[in-house]
Amino acid sequence: NAGVTQTPKFRVLKTGQSMTLLCAQDMNHEYMYWYRQDPGMGLRLIHYSVGEGTTAKGEVPDGYNVSRLKKQNFLLGLESAAPSQTSVYFCASSLAGVSYNEQFFGPGTRLTVL
Amino acid sequence: AQSVTQPDIHITVSEGASLELRCNYSYGATPYLFWYVQSPGQGLQLLLKYFSGDTLVQGIKGFEAEFKRSQSSFNLRKPSVHWSDAAEYFCAGGNRDDKIIFGKGTRLHILP
Repeated sequence: NAGVTQTPKFRVLKTGQSMTLLCAQDMNHEYMYWYRQDPGMGLRLIHYSVGEGTTAKGEVPDGYNVSRLKKQNFLLGLESAAPSQTSVYFCASSLAGVSYNEQFFGPGTRLTVL
Repeated sequence: AQSVTQPDIHITVSEGASLELRCNYSYGATPYLFWYVQSPGQGLQLLLKYFSGDTLVQGIKGFEAEFKRSQSSFNLRKPSVHWSDAAEYFCAGGNRDDKIIFGKGTRLHILP
């Protein structure tokens, strides 16, 4: 089992460019999450999904879009990157709702927007 | 509003000393509470969780946490720290929905 994997590990973008971050899990988990981590801010939820074909907004969704076309994959898109989106992005998955189940985290993607 | 607060941004302890990391929560009802650890350059790993029942919870790597309703606290403890415990620790709380809220983290430094 690879657990939760994230692609790419590092990326540098110019302002206005677009990109997609890929999260994949092989644990047959229903729920998947995207967080961003900034110094002194902890983890903040961007978007999440409670099952294939579903998505929902988290705490800081502006400037991001997501899709969950397959149960094992959760994509995070930046249509027009801004320097404020420089951050470390973590994907997580859980068997069901996180109130009852452990979240498993990927290793993170470090994104820099110039 | 629901919140999780970690009052200490940095904590430094000597190797072999005891450790206590503080966490306070603000929820309407008793939340589900978690402690996660993040080693440098890594994702987060669950140390322990509290849902109900016994207020003293045992976790991995020798950690434990105690839920105190009267103080709205869920402090993490370890009797004797090792250099490998140097990391960032996050307290988190959840309710009966699909999301949890993370505290801002406490970075633990270990002196040799």
